[in-house]
Amino acid sequence: SQQGEEDPQALSIQEGENATMNCSYKTSINNLQWYRQNSGRGLVHLILIRSNEREKHSGRLRVTLDTSKKSSSLLITASRAADTASYFCATDSTGANNLFFGTGTRLTVIP
Amino acid sequence: EADIYQTPRYLVIGTGKKITLECSQTMGHDKMYWYQQDPGMELHLIHYSYGVNSTEKGDLSSESTVSRIRTEHFPLTLESARPSHTSQYLCASGELGQETQYFGPGTRLLVL
Repeated sequence: SQQGEEDPQALSIQEGENATMNCSYKTSINNLQWYRQNSGRGLVHLILIRSNEREKHSGRLRVTLDTSKKSSSLLITASRAADTASYFCATDSTGANNLFFGTGTRLTVIP
Repeated sequence: EADIYQTPRYLVIGTGKKITLECSQTMGHDKMYWYQQDPGMELHLIHYSYGVNSTEKGDLSSESTVSRIRTEHFPLTLESARPSHTSQYLCASGELGQETQYFGPGTRLLVL
């Protein structure tokens, strides 16, 4: 990946459990976003966190950002079968004309 | 779901054919993008545009071309399709000054 990687590559959990995905990147960023992709579909924007923020919440989602470690995590609490999808982080850097996407984490939530 | 559309959703064609993948958005966004994504893999930017008559190549070299004659349309053309072009093609758009991108449903292309 040009910018970084996510881990784990795949995660399988039971409904109701929490899911945590991590994203690492290589260069300084302006902000970091998380997107969700259902199989065979386009990406849907979930949440954006700016480089001067450390944590952000949106419903059952919690995102953290550690710029010193160049890493971010996405926590989905009380997971549901409908959360089954691939999750991608994307970074936006100064001077770059586009977003750089990570390799994605494939989450499976078992009912 | 965002107001961005792609057609066709699925396309199976033979080698050497010329194809155009359509992308249109009704949000008035100036920025539009084309990404190529193999199954289970990351997205690679192949083209982008910041407005009418503006097109740029992305990070991944591609034999495709794009045009931006109207704000709402950003078609991608392959003059002579090859099996190596088999992939999913995702179109996205966004507002100038905003980082969030809105994606279409994608076109799955299979070149035989």
